[in-house]
Amino acid sequence: EAGVAQSPRYKIIEKRQSVAFWCNPISGHATLYWYQQILGQGPKLLIQFQNNGVVDDSQLPKDRFSAERLKGVDSTLKIQPAKLEDSAVYLCASSRRIRTAGVDTQYFGPGTRLTVL
Amino acid sequence: SQQGEEDPQALSIQEGENATMNCSYKTSINNLQWYRQNSGRGLVHLILIRSNEREKHSGRLRVTLDTSKKSSSLLITASRAADTASYFCATTMKTSYDKVIFGPGTSLSVIP
Repeated sequence: EAGVAQSPRYKIIEKRQSVAFWCNPISGHATLYWYQQILGQGPKLLIQFQNNGVVDDSQLPKDRFSAERLKGVDSTLKIQPAKLEDSAVYLCASSRRIRTAGVDTQYFGPGTRLTVL
Repeated sequence: SQQGEEDPQALSIQEGENATMNCSYKTSINNLQWYRQNSGRGLVHLILIRSNEREKHSGRLRVTLDTSKKSSSLLITASRAADTASYFCATTMKTSYDKVIFGPGTSLSVIP
């Protein structure tokens, strides 16, 4: 099966500019995640969707970050305006959500490396 | 602070040696997973161990889980240069939507 697709792979912008990232999860996966991974750190969950509803956005800086998942499939993550500290890799992941088995393996896309100058 | 903490932060070994990484966490979990990340790439799922399991094997990987100590270890036997990567533990917390939290990772270098 096709994996999680993300675009663009790289993006360089000036601070205060806007940027958007796109994610296409694995077909049939109900849950979609956006993570921010700063160099040398583990991924930090920004937002988690179950179908097209948000179940966790507690660590999303809502004054500048927004995300949507239309029709429960593709998702976009936007930053407006960007700050220097937003430089990171933005990872998208999806999972099938087999709750009866108590497992929730996430499948990750290649990520978008954002550099804010 | 994060739910999971890996130890050591960095590890350098010779090819053929075994590598052991540890993960500690703070709250009750449903399961614990280990992921690998090669430089500049996305994370790849390695193995999952449920809270009622104590040990699990997958190829050259062996994972143990001690829920009384809230800790897990990942052992890679007979390491290869291709095992060079960062390894992350991810704990699935007991919430209504299975919240997953990643640790800061262990950077493993396998020297040929």
